[in-house]
Amino acid sequence: EAQVTQNPRYLITVTGKKLTVTCSQNMNHEYMSWYRQDPGLGLRQIYYSMNVEVTDKGDVPEGYKVSRKEKRNFPLILESPSPNQTSLYFCASGLVGGEQYFGPGTRLTVT
Amino acid sequence: DQQVKQNSPSLSVQEGRISILNCDYTNSMFDYFLWYKKYPAEGPTFLISISSIKDKNEDGRFTVFLNKSAKHLSLHIVPSQPGDSAVYFCAASDYGGSQGNLIFGKGTKLSVKP
Repeated sequence: EAQVTQNPRYLITVTGKKLTVTCSQNMNHEYMSWYRQDPGLGLRQIYYSMNVEVTDKGDVPEGYKVSRKEKRNFPLILESPSPNQTSLYFCASGLVGGEQYFGPGTRLTVT
Repeated sequence: DQQVKQNSPSLSVQEGRISILNCDYTNSMFDYFLWYKKYPAEGPTFLISISSIKDKNEDGRFTVFLNKSAKHLSLHIVPSQPGDSAVYFCAASDYGGSQGNLIFGKGTKLSVKP
């Protein structure tokens, strides 16, 4: 089954404790991206990757890191999480400029 | 500055009637437009798209209209069903360009009442 998977689905952590949210896709897509969804702000792009070893900043990259060492994986790293990073995070993969397929989301709470 | 705008945060429609969701964009380089549907606790799912070479695309109950001169697109759902209640996101990209990112609007929450 073609899908985008994210782990964990739910995470509660404390300020400053490094965390990684994994994202994996099995559709051989070159393009992958991370978004956060906040009330009243819609979907905002954090980082995206056009291909392996190619990443670039989206609209809200501050406080986040990503890596793309393999085509299928695109982890999101929060080196020192802060409460303003409490949000619902979505990973997506797809065609460059075309349809994107989203994962189920990761709800992160930073206290 | 928002490049893709959905000015109505919410819309309520009676079952069986038409739902019209609107979206405006500012970037004239956008040439590919998509609508996504999102239920609570799930990721957005692709609904329908349209290329700038067309002005209409239809898929079952869903039709997207594009007015390039007005930089406006709309999604029509006919007839609306309670299961259509969700948040709808409009997105745009310059598919033929080098960036290729999808730019999303803030979404419109559709409620279809039985």
